[in-house]
Amino acid sequence: AQKVTQAQTEISVVEKEDVTLDCVYETRDTTYYLFWYKQPPSGELVFLIRRNSFDEQNEISGRYSWNFQKSTSSFNFTITASQVVDSAVYFCALSDPTGANNLFFGTGTRLTVIP
Amino acid sequence: EAGVAQSPRYKIIEKRQSVAFWCNPISGHATLYWYQQILGQGPKLLIQFQNNGVVDDSQLPKDRFSAERLKGVDSTLKIQPAKLEDSAVYLCASSSGAWKGDTQYFGPGTRLTVL
Repeated sequence: AQKVTQAQTEISVVEKEDVTLDCVYETRDTTYYLFWYKQPPSGELVFLIRRNSFDEQNEISGRYSWNFQKSTSSFNFTITASQVVDSAVYFCALSDPTGANNLFFGTGTRLTVIP
Repeated sequence: EAGVAQSPRYKIIEKRQSVAFWCNPISGHATLYWYQQILGQGPKLLIQFQNNGVVDDSQLPKDRFSAERLKGVDSTLKIQPAKLEDSAVYLCASSSGAWKGDTQYFGPGTRLTVL
């Protein structure tokens, strides 16, 4: 069965600090996809990144970077030089493309960036 | 390109009343999903459509919830009768459906409060 664990419920950082959000997943499938979404106070889930299980390269997009390690079943997300606009709930999700392609979400990490 | 549209944004009803939510996916997207997000939790899939057919409704409480996507475009999710525990945000998402693991894009959600 698919499972995603985000152990950090809430994190607070001061603006310009770096912060890493942890995500650990469980799956028996060899082919799967991992996602990160941002949910600001407005409520909409905003897509950030998609990674397939065969691509372990780390990715950087501006201040955002992602570290995918299959050996530890982790897909962590780092924000460099955090800004107040980064305050949101961040969700890690796992999809099982061999099934119905549904997304299994973690419980989310609420990030507060203090000015 | 327009995103996923949902209405209403907010709804307050008494228990045992009925309520309906509407979703219009991104143009051309074959796959449509309805998720339920209870406060403090990650979204959980209720039902998935591929065009106008149901792919997965295993988590839909069919005694009170129903959904349809008659023409393979927009969709309606109904609750009848509502219970207190149905208070949640109902999120609609769509994806191209062209391949497994494709990205799901979410609408702004409908926040339902059952009194």
